[in-house]
Amino acid sequence: GEDVEQSLFLSVREGDSSVINCTYTDSSSTYLYWYKQEPGAGLQLLTYIFSNMDMKQDQRLTVLLNKKDKHLSLRIADTQTGDSAIYFCAESMGATTTDSWGKLQFGAGTQVVVTP
Amino acid sequence: DVKVTQSSRYLVKRTGEKVFLECVQDMDHENMFWYRQDPGLGLRLIYFSYDVKMKEKGDIPEGYSVSREKKERFSLILESASTNQTSMYLCASSLGGAGGIETDTQYFGPGTRLTVL
Repeated sequence: GEDVEQSLFLSVREGDSSVINCTYTDSSSTYLYWYKQEPGAGLQLLTYIFSNMDMKQDQRLTVLLNKKDKHLSLRIADTQTGDSAIYFCAESMGATTTDSWGKLQFGAGTQVVVTP
Repeated sequence: DVKVTQSSRYLVKRTGEKVFLECVQDMDHENMFWYRQDPGLGLRLIYFSYDVKMKEKGDIPEGYSVSREKKERFSLILESASTNQTSMYLCASSLGGAGGIETDTQYFGPGTRLTVL
């Protein structure tokens, strides 16, 4: 079956950059997502990247995609205490097959703890 | 903004009870999803629906059923709750179709933390 893998924990000092890594397994994935989950809340869409892109920047967030290695990363510049959360990467094949129906495959999530 | 709401934030039930978790979205989305979230396991898909009265099993459907009588509402049913169903339950919706990123992006509700005693 498909597996999206992430490291489970990351500790970072306030003001430093955070880098969260993810490996995915389906080279035909169309879109790759990063979601953020704050304590006791649902998942909030942070950003996404098309599989034909290498990089996407959105304010403090930079997404890098290495399609050859099936490696996705999320860099958060100038990490703040409000960035403490669980970050999930997810892949989608798009609704191109009856099996996919726009389903997302999620990683286990990376708990990011920002220390002062 | 897309709004996905879930009927309860916290729920405590007893073993053997029938449990209903309700999810409503207000954006006329075709697809709706139910996940459970457990530490270290991430999100696992229980069931999803791509149209009214249509449903498909996800990765872990055992012990659950769903109902989608109206487009905006997707219910998750635990026919006879068991302690191993204690978890966080998340509902999501997406526009659906084959149009691209806009159709596949899933929007989540706040979650229901269910405890089965």
